[in-house]
Amino acid sequence: AQKITQTQPGMFVQEKEAVTLDCTYDTSDQSYGLFWYKQPSSGEMIFLIYQGSYDEQNATEGRYSLNFQKARKSANLVISASQLGDSAMYFCAMRGRGAGSYQLTFGKGTKLSVIP
Amino acid sequence: DTAVSQTPKYLVTQMGNDKSIKCEQNLGHDTMYWYKQDSKKFLKIMFSYNNKELIINETVPNRFSPKSPDKAHLNLHINSLELGDSAVYFCASSLRTSGDHTDTQYFGPGTRLTVL
Repeated sequence: AQKITQTQPGMFVQEKEAVTLDCTYDTSDQSYGLFWYKQPSSGEMIFLIYQGSYDEQNATEGRYSLNFQKARKSANLVISASQLGDSAMYFCAMRGRGAGSYQLTFGKGTKLSVIP
Repeated sequence: DTAVSQTPKYLVTQMGNDKSIKCEQNLGHDTMYWYKQDSKKFLKIMFSYNNKELIINETVPNRFSPKSPDKAHLNLHINSLELGDSAVYFCASSLRTSGDHTDTQYFGPGTRLTVL
């Protein structure tokens, strides 16, 4: 079974500052993928970034980077230079191999509020 | 161009009614999914279809029946609606035929179902 834990129900960050959203995971799979999605107040789920368990480098996509620490089973999302439009729910998710690979297991999410 | 679309966006209905939610993807993906997001924002897989064949059917009441007429469409039919069915339902799709943890899922805009 796979499990994702996001321990921060809500976070505040000042505009233009960087913020880290925490995510830890638990799986018995040797090979897996980690994903972050953004859900603004309008409700859609937007894919942000992906990290594979065997990727040696941390993933980056524009202002988003994933701080992957495999030994600690953490996959924290770092947003640099926060913007007002970054205010949203952020979900960490993972996908394993085999039968479990057809679904994403989600964490409970972190609500990020960017303060002007 | 909408990649994954769902209709309707909002659905308000009475208990006991039967309703359907439609999903279409124009990405050429082989696998489609239905997820349910409850009032606490928690997302959980309901069904997964790969090339019109059911792969995953989580513990979902049999009042819920997915139907896939072709690999670009996955509709969700719900019989005898109950108050507890009120939620946001997301359709998603991903590229690959076989389970692969690198395979990113792209979500539709969601359908907010309210059962009165």
